[in-house]
Amino acid sequence: DTEVTQTPKHLVMGMTNKKSLKCEQHMGHRAMYWYKQKAKKPPELMFVYSYEKLSINESVPSRFSPECPNSSLLNLHLHALQPEDSALYLCASSPAWASGDNEQFFGPGTRLTVL
Amino acid sequence: GEDVEQSLFLSVREGDSSVINCTYTDSSSTYLYWYKQEPGAGLQLLTYIFSNMDMKQDQRLTVLLNKKDKHLSLRIADTQTGDSAIYFCAERWADKLIFGTGTRLQVFP
Repeated sequence: DTEVTQTPKHLVMGMTNKKSLKCEQHMGHRAMYWYKQKAKKPPELMFVYSYEKLSINESVPSRFSPECPNSSLLNLHLHALQPEDSALYLCASSPAWASGDNEQFFGPGTRLTVL
Repeated sequence: GEDVEQSLFLSVREGDSSVINCTYTDSSSTYLYWYKQEPGAGLQLLTYIFSNMDMKQDQRLTVLLNKKDKHLSLRIADTQTGDSAIYFCAERWADKLIFGTGTRLQVFP
């Protein structure tokens, strides 16, 4: 299995809702990432997990809460989002963080719309 | 160094070569990457080059790196309609990937 999967593919939520995005990989990678991508813009790094520990938080608002329950799974919990948080949320994984070529494999993304 | 610049748009005829350019800012970047993103999809890593190399070829793809000018290019030979997508270069900086602004490649018959 050489892919990163993300669910759901699309999500529409209100500003008072709580929802979660899920990401899974079975490549034995020990680094996992969340990116946010607005339309016609490059991806922006949000969080990095290395060996299931949060290594980077790029000053992301607390309404986004990441979780790494095990080495294969990465969640992003959403609460009290704003309409400007609407974007494509991409998950990626790599064999390790901060070493080697850091070749990152991306999932297809979750298209989030906040009403 | 967090500004990675690309031209916004490139249009080529099917069968011609495409050259997508990228200017990065951090001369200490160790790896530079090219990703492809099709509409509504995630990013697909196409190729990457280590900073001590000048060129890397992989089938239809040729990457050229000019470290002195901090210039990276991706040449796609025999461009096909399936190559139509947005192409992002990225540099590895402080153990993060910093993506370029993206170039939309349109291939017409």
